[in-house]
Amino acid sequence: RKEVEQDPGPFNVPEGATVAFNCTYSNSASQSFFWYRQDCRKEPKLLMSVYSSGNEDGRFTAQLNRASQYISLLIRDSKLSDSATYLCVVNPLGSGGYNKLIFGAGTRLAVHP
Amino acid sequence: GAGVSQTPSNKVTEKGKYVELRCDPISGHTALYWYRQSLGQGPEFLIYFQGTGAADDSGLPNDRFFAVRPEGSVSTLKIQRTERGDSAVYLCASSLTAESSYNEQFFGPGTRLTVL
Repeated sequence: RKEVEQDPGPFNVPEGATVAFNCTYSNSASQSFFWYRQDCRKEPKLLMSVYSSGNEDGRFTAQLNRASQYISLLIRDSKLSDSATYLCVVNPLGSGGYNKLIFGAGTRLAVHP
Repeated sequence: GAGVSQTPSNKVTEKGKYVELRCDPISGHTALYWYRQSLGQGPEFLIYFQGTGAADDSGLPNDRFFAVRPEGSVSTLKIQRTERGDSAVYLCASSLTAESSYNEQFFGPGTRLTVL
């Protein structure tokens, strides 16, 4: 079983749609969670960290369920520019350890006019 | 300011050859990481440096892979006797420190390695 699992998609949605991505992780001791965005043939870039209380950044909302070992990302009012691959990322060692990031395979999003 | 830079951007080599991939981290970042990304997959951790020392090399696939960071800044990933399965994008990242798990890692554009 992979440490971080994501639905690979692709998700094809029209502009203005709301889309949700899910991710599960296997290491229950993991402490830090992130969503990265990766454009085609580009490097990954941090989209947002995910906190236990859930957090929102504009049109993006991230949620964490530690009991279920489940992370989600919700994108509201999708824009063409949101088209990319979204990577679910876990730091298995957490605070006090170091930044060894474990990536999911990514979920591809295509937003069309 | 300048981000993480990697050279070359593309490298094509023949099976059995030796290659070196270079990473120049963001100035002042003490932590440096190497990842490998195969087609359709997320980046996979290879090795991490805090300063000059390799703090964790548990992700290196085998002893053909080696990395150094002699002066605590630039790092070189070295691959001996390359195999076709080594073909991937090799990504380097740096962060201010590694002491907090929320220190953002900034990635370079990667080196696309193709082994024929």
